[in-house]
Amino acid sequence: GESVGLHLPTLSVQEGDNSIINCAYSNSASDYFIWYKQESGKGPQFIIDIRSNMDKRQGQRVTVLLNKTVKHLSLQIAATQPGDSAVYFCAENIGYGGSQGNLIFGKGTKLSVKP
Amino acid sequence: DSGVTQTPKHLITATGQRVTLRCSPRSGDLSVYWYQQSLDQGLQFLIQYYNGEERAKGNILERFSAQQFPDLHSELNLSSLELGDSALYFCASSVVQMNTEAFFGQGTRLTVV
Repeated sequence: GESVGLHLPTLSVQEGDNSIINCAYSNSASDYFIWYKQESGKGPQFIIDIRSNMDKRQGQRVTVLLNKTVKHLSLQIAATQPGDSAVYFCAENIGYGGSQGNLIFGKGTKLSVKP
Repeated sequence: DSGVTQTPKHLITATGQRVTLRCSPRSGDLSVYWYQQSLDQGLQFLIQYYNGEERAKGNILERFSAQQFPDLHSELNLSSLELGDSALYFCASSVVQMNTEAFFGQGTRLTVV
């Protein structure tokens, strides 16, 4: 497959362990955040989102935490599986002015799951 | 399958040439976004259309242009291509124009030689 980034931070975890991927976002005015997963050779795939009026949201095996004070977002994956191996991106929606609607993506973190 | 279709999947062309990338959004989605993904820049927002009108512009070069047609499909035109334009180009779509998840296509891999 093709690489989506040569110098991505990498997180290596054992199958069955929990994973925590962190992201610092840039704009205090951002009001909507998404985590995407990108497997090699594929487009980004939606995992979970959270609005700025929340600080935690849970999905199936995933939890997103939002700390607006320090502009930090995290994605927790429970019982990590080999199929979770991918690059994970956080994205923020700057909901004001001419940038309404578009997502600004972070650099990404490569998750590698060891069997 | 996200429901967003991009063609072609791969494109190889020479410097100075012009290419057109095509995107069909998910059924019912009015908003289309174009992103460029390169090894050194990551995913960069280029431009957004909503129901045929341009809504937001990001880091899109003047050599690049896009449009969204009445049937809601979109095209990204890249002209006077340079080696540095080689990248993955993604289209995404969403129902509304902001604060909602966007669904991405599989991308078009452009190689400029």
